[in-house]
Amino acid sequence: DTGVSQDPRHKITKRGQNVTFRCDPISEHNRLYWYRQTLGQGPEFLTYFQNEAQLEKSRLLSDRFSAERPKGSFSTLEIQRTEQGDSAMYLCASRSGTGWKDTQYFGPGTRLTVL
Amino acid sequence: SQKIEQNSEALNIQEGKTATLTCNYTNYSPAYLQWYRQDPGRGPVFLLLIRENEKEKRKERLKVTFDTTLKQSLFHITASQPADSATYLCALVRTGNQFYFGTGTSLTVIP
Repeated sequence: DTGVSQDPRHKITKRGQNVTFRCDPISEHNRLYWYRQTLGQGPEFLTYFQNEAQLEKSRLLSDRFSAERPKGSFSTLEIQRTEQGDSAMYLCASRSGTGWKDTQYFGPGTRLTVL
Repeated sequence: SQKIEQNSEALNIQEGKTATLTCNYTNYSPAYLQWYRQDPGRGPVFLLLIRENEKEKRKERLKVTFDTTLKQSLFHITASQPADSATYLCALVRTGNQFYFGTGTSLTVIP
């Protein structure tokens, strides 16, 4: 257990439905990342928060995706009008700073299946 | 954009041997490079980091090398054990915020 938790662990939804995932980082970490990982691939960066500010977003993040970190603690990732191509593992990671010594700690991920 | 390639084939080795995994990158050199272990259905776990001005780092049975001329990092597990079976990911960091991951190499250590 890294100290980063994600909920739910698994989500099955029908195409066109909206889904929301939650990430609770390590409490003293002010940096939070979201990644998407498909089978046989490495994690792909989606977005990054420093405290409550969303500082970077990947071009992979379409308008159907939105992420928030309202109080600089937990974060949510919402996908609207899900498509089958959204099926993947969604990973959250946190770290305390951006120096080379600041390790990323990953949560267990949320596995999304869109039928 | 940065392209990162790891051994595309799964690696099977006999227990006790040394496993060597490769990470090659194109374009710009990263400020540092990390190696992670990922077990099925779980998030990656950080193992080792090497900076651009370092040639080699060691931690217990693990060794990482970094050759910025070849644009390559090698990850070695000596005296491998079945418990080392997992997928191993390399990640490059250019600035402080974005991590670019390779596709990973699946390692199986056969008893």
